[in-house]
Amino acid sequence: QVQLQESGPGLVKPSETLSLTCTVSGGSISSYYWSWIRQPPGKGLEWIGYIYYSGTTNYNPSLKSRVIISVDTSKNQFSLKLSSVTAADTAVYYCARVYYGGNSMFDYWGQGILVTVSS
Amino acid sequence: DIQMTQSPSSLSASVGDRVTITCRASQSIRSYLNWYQHKPGKAPKLLIYAASSLQSGVPSRFSGSGSGTDFTLTISSLQPEDFATYYCQQTYTPPLTFGGGTKVEIK
Repeated sequence: QVQLQESGPGLVKPSETLSLTCTVSGGSISSYYWSWIRQPPGKGLEWIGYIYYSGTTNYNPSLKSRVIISVDTSKNQFSLKLSSVTAADTAVYYCARVYYGGNSMFDYWGQGILVTVSS
Repeated sequence: DIQMTQSPSSLSASVGDRVTITCRASQSIRSYLNWYQHKPGKAPKLLIYAASSLQSGVPSRFSGSGSGTDFTLTISSLQPEDFATYYCQQTYTPPLTFGGGTKVEIK
């Protein structure tokens, strides 16, 4: 059973960089796309971007200038960096596996990690 | 960006009720539509993919239909464990977008 676990600081100061890691267990990170999604308090889900295990990325244009997603296949991990954060970036951040089978779908998700942007 | 509009945003229902949630895309997305169930503090769970295909392990009381711009998620007989928020998602083209969610509450 594939499991994903987000990790990283729960508090980030405004203007700094939010950094999160997603560790994949129970399966290989290879041959899949991996994604980050977030949910601000009281709001819906927002797709941040995804990365293929080879390193190819696709980002949400609304965040593209501030986002970097990277992958470390040796550690079975992928990571998110979001720069110049503001209070609007306060959210629960989820990582997920993207399964492509004609259609694409997020078939495994992490439990999520709350990141608060505050001084 | 493709906008996904869900209705209603919330509903109250009783155990055993038939529940229908709709999702409308701002342009045709063919059948590139998924449905997720989300409970507080838990990971979202994939229920339906490709508009009408039931994800492995998901109870058969869940079903999806539609194509193009209009889609429906139906729960045939609501169970206590089904009280949650439901989201549709289009994967036709990036940026991948979600509907605003439908919160199903106990009546």
